[in-house]
Amino acid sequence: AQTVTQSQPEMSVQEAETVTLSCTYDTSESDYYLFWYKQPPSRQMILVIRQEAYKQQNATENRFSVNFQKAAKSFSLKISDSQLGDAAMYFCAYRRAINDYKLSFGAGTTVTVRA
Amino acid sequence: EAGVAQSPRYKIIEKRQSVAFWCNPISGHATLYWYQQILGQGPKLLIQFQNNGVVDDSQLPKDRFSAERLKGVDSTLKIQPAKLEDSAVYLCASSLGDRGTDTQYFGPGTRLTVL
Repeated sequence: AQTVTQSQPEMSVQEAETVTLSCTYDTSESDYYLFWYKQPPSRQMILVIRQEAYKQQNATENRFSVNFQKAAKSFSLKISDSQLGDAAMYFCAYRRAINDYKLSFGAGTTVTVRA
Repeated sequence: EAGVAQSPRYKIIEKRQSVAFWCNPISGHATLYWYQQILGQGPKLLIQFQNNGVVDDSQLPKDRFSAERLKGVDSTLKIQPAKLEDSAVYLCASSLGDRGTDTQYFGPGTRLTVL
């Protein structure tokens, strides 16, 4: 089974500043997908960004970008120009590219944004 | 487009009682997932359906949990009898298909408290 590790239980960031969330994973596969999901308090989980392992270019979605280091099995999320609405639990997730398509989630990182 | 619907949103029961959760996926989505999210942890897949067939139920505690997806649309997840450790948020998600690129869309979840 794949293991996804998020070593930062909590992170705090000043509004308009940048915060980086860490994620490492363990796999023997060469092709797979990595995701960051956001879960605001009492609200549903939404996809923030996705990275295909075969792509060398790091994915970006507006203020959200990733640093994908395949050899190091590292997948960090950078939130730029943080906004109050970014406050949430962020989950890193892994999914195989073939067969067994379930998402394996990390334990999550709670992001607090200070006004 | 309507999102994934779940009901009830909250449920409190005594241990050894039974409980059922309902999920209505996004229209046209063939794949449906049930996840269990214990407080402080990431979601864990319980069961995955492709249309009305089970694809993966390897982590479903089959002695007490059951799930069905009649006609390949709505799904119900049942726990009978409930234990204290079943207290969690139960998330339903759906995706167009089961390819690695298919985004999973999550419902708001049902928060279960077992006393």
